[in-house]
Amino acid sequence: GQQVMQIPQYQHVQEGEDFTTYCNSSTTLSNIQWYKQRPGGHPVFLIQLVKSGEVKKQKRLTFQFGEAKKNSSLHITATQTTDVGTYFCAGPTNAGNNRKLIWGLGTSLAVNP
Amino acid sequence: DVKVTQSSRYLVKRTGEKVFLECVQDMDHENMFWYRQDPGLGLRLIYFSYDVKMKEKGDIPEGYSVSREKKERFSLILESASTNQTSMYLCASSFTETRNTIYFGEGSWLTVV
Repeated sequence: GQQVMQIPQYQHVQEGEDFTTYCNSSTTLSNIQWYKQRPGGHPVFLIQLVKSGEVKKQKRLTFQFGEAKKNSSLHITATQTTDVGTYFCAGPTNAGNNRKLIWGLGTSLAVNP
Repeated sequence: DVKVTQSSRYLVKRTGEKVFLECVQDMDHENMFWYRQDPGLGLRLIYFSYDVKMKEKGDIPEGYSVSREKKERFSLILESASTNQTSMYLCASSFTETRNTIYFGEGSWLTVV
């Protein structure tokens, strides 16, 4: 069945280092979304990418959608302790229904001050 | 701002009890979801609804039922709670099939003893 895989599962970095998480879908996606969940919190929408090869930036965060629309990445430049949390990618199912999303298992980021 | 409100933040229930988790959204969203989140297992969809009185099974519907009598309200029911249903439950909603960004509630931490 359709799957979305995220790597790495965990990442520890020193504050100021860069961080990247990768998302790979088994099928082409119409769009991909990224969410962040702080420890003890709930997932919060960050961004949606729709176009092949699209790149979007939010301050120190850079999001890319692959040319084939099957993979995506989130890169954080110069991490801060406020970046701690779990980052999820998600894309619509291919079952003729865009209402449901298939989720990656998430990448948990820890930042040492 | 979209508001998804879950009625209970923390609950402790006994094995065999019937448990109701209530969720209300205030943005006239068509779609509502119940997810379960466990460490290492990501977000797993239990049920979702795209209209009043309409529901579809997600990935792990066994042991659960749902009710959507009004557009803004989506209830998750554990017919006979078991210890393996101890988890965090997240309610979520999204506008339509094409506007499928998901907004989550704060979560309900359920412990079954």
